[in-house]
Amino acid sequence: DTAVSQTPKYLVTQMGNDKSIKCEQNLGHDTMYWYKQDSKKFLKIMFSYNNKELIINETVPNRFSPKSPDKAHLNLHINSLELGDSAVYFCASSRPFSGANEQYFGPGTRLTVT
Amino acid sequence: AQSVSQHNHHVILSEAASLELGCNYSYGGTVNLFWYVQYPGQHLQLLLKYFSGDPLVKGIKGFEAEFIKSKFSFNLRKPSVQWSDTAEYFCAVTSFLGGATNKLIFGTGTLLAVQP
Repeated sequence: DTAVSQTPKYLVTQMGNDKSIKCEQNLGHDTMYWYKQDSKKFLKIMFSYNNKELIINETVPNRFSPKSPDKAHLNLHINSLELGDSAVYFCASSRPFSGANEQYFGPGTRLTVT
Repeated sequence: AQSVSQHNHHVILSEAASLELGCNYSYGGTVNLFWYVQYPGQHLQLLLKYFSGDPLVKGIKGFEAEFIKSKFSFNLRKPSVQWSDTAEYFCAVTSFLGGATNKLIFGTGTLLAVQP
């Protein structure tokens, strides 16, 4: 009964490649997010979608492009990968945006760019 | 801009010791406060949350936190830690930005290591 799932769990690739990470939630939530956790464990929001509409875009390079085909899915495509993109990427979801609603996190995707 | 500070970056305790992890936020408006835990190699899980009402909040696994508005603090406590509490602990705050966003801002985390 996975609530928020991500694929792949690990991703190793070379600089310059293009890769995608997929996220799916079966909680019936309307809002989904992408977070980046760097090597020092610092978590920062990248994007937020509400019912397929982009709500938050936090000064992320335009090499990162989120896509939400429906409200249960939020994928992250990264072009021209750079060494600095190495991190753990977490997807999360919540009920319609309200500070009172907790976010449920996926297991993370560890991206390593060589 | 809102920010969250966790002053303890790395805490080492023996089993049965008491725990208090500090968390301060900088935002004068209405806030909702959370503590998340990340066990080694796992995703974040919610420990507890504060929205309104009783400032002393009880969460899972014996954790509690106290919201002190005058100090902008939301410290996490547990009277007696166990080895299984070894994890990274994140304090987080959401703020209301015109009612259009639910932006969760995290602190830098505190790594707790409990020695048996």
